[in-house]
Amino acid sequence: DTAVSQTPKYLVTQMGNDKSIKCEQNLGHDTMYWYKQDSKKFLKIMFSYNNKELIINETVPNRFSPKSPDKAHLNLHINSLELGDSAVYFCASSQVYGLLQETQYFGPGTRLLVL
Amino acid sequence: KNQVEQSPQSLIILEGKNCTLQCNYTVSPFSNLRWYKQDTGRGPVSLTIMTFSENTKSNGRYTATLDADTKQSSLHITASQLSDSASYICVVRISSGNTPLVFGKGTRLSVIA
Repeated sequence: DTAVSQTPKYLVTQMGNDKSIKCEQNLGHDTMYWYKQDSKKFLKIMFSYNNKELIINETVPNRFSPKSPDKAHLNLHINSLELGDSAVYFCASSQVYGLLQETQYFGPGTRLLVL
Repeated sequence: KNQVEQSPQSLIILEGKNCTLQCNYTVSPFSNLRWYKQDTGRGPVSLTIMTFSENTKSNGRYTATLDADTKQSSLHITASQLSDSASYICVVRISSGNTPLVFGKGTRLSVIA
């Protein structure tokens, strides 16, 4: 069984469109994250939710809006897509936020290409 | 400024050989240091997590070391296998603030037959 799953795996779209990426974890974890990995393979955290509550909101454009309908899901909605949004987006989860040695489990990534 | 620097940027070794990847950090206050393995097209997978008081930690053929005084860590891979080909990312956790994890850019390891 897949622990952290993301859909779609690939997303090709035009500038200006609005798109969503979905993430689900079946690990019973309390905390979920969204990361962006750029073309240079640099991972950067975007958002973190703990029990459906936003706890980290890095400096990302407000075109990006995370939505957590329940503890097992954290979706990422992106409005007015721009060329610079092209990247791989990873969802991750961990059991408890702030625990000293909590391990984050990553999803397979969604490869977004904006044309 | 909190930063994690990794070296080398990329590395090619023959199957069966050992190698060592380096990680230097300027993160404060330090909580723990993690090494992740990221296969091409996949999400990162945790290899080790070390706290301030731990000097070394092993996970199979992977051994991580930590020198909290010099703020350096290394990941040693013994008897490399083709499946070790991946990016290895060093991540340091800060014990306060809203950005708990600082990621390095990774070392791209290629193991060839």
